[in-house]
Amino acid sequence: GNSVTQMEGPVTLSEEAFLTINCTYTATGYPSLFWYVQYPGEGLQLLLKATKADDKGSNKGFEATYRKETTSFHLEKGSVQVSDSAVYFCALIISGGSNYKLTFGKGTLLTVNP
Amino acid sequence: SQTIHQWPATLVQPVGSPLSLECTVEGTSNPNLYWYRQAAGRGLQLLFYSVGIGQISSEVPQNLSASRPQDRQFILSSKKLLLSDSGFYLCAWSRVPSGGLVRKDYEQYFGPGTRLTVT
Repeated sequence: GNSVTQMEGPVTLSEEAFLTINCTYTATGYPSLFWYVQYPGEGLQLLLKATKADDKGSNKGFEATYRKETTSFHLEKGSVQVSDSAVYFCALIISGGSNYKLTFGKGTLLTVNP
Repeated sequence: SQTIHQWPATLVQPVGSPLSLECTVEGTSNPNLYWYRQAAGRGLQLLFYSVGIGQISSEVPQNLSASRPQDRQFILSSKKLLLSDSGFYLCAWSRVPSGGLVRKDYEQYFGPGTRLTVT
């Protein structure tokens, strides 16, 4: 089956620190990969995505590269801000059929202190 | 542009009471619709998805049910709530991707969620 494994949280950083949240996956087909972010008390927002190997998704200073050889999609940001405090979810979709169900990791809580 | 609404935003219900959560999508037609549950400290669990009116697929056996009476309306229900039903319920929609090798429009767009506390 399909699965996503994220690094265990919580992650606590100081403002302007470098962030890496690891994500690896197993998939029965060729997945598209996503990072979603959930701010406190809110729903999920799509942060970035990549649909094929070696694609780099980027948004709001965050980046992640689709690495097929290591089945990974690690999220990085060079300098985090307090406003980046949230839960981050890695997810994948396998194409096929008409439903396109997302498989999520368990989420990583990031807290950024001033 | 498309928007997705959920209500109520928060709900406190006693054990054994019924439940009805509603989700509506605007600005698109014939979307795929999804219900997820997020329990405290855990990830997201897909409960139901729908590819069309009256078409519901269940992912997890439970005392919840879903219905899609209209194209852009998705309802999550229960006849008798359990304590374990507490959680954050998220509705999402996605476009129905075109066929072939085009790999876009797969992302899902989430509503603001409903916080359910069963007491």
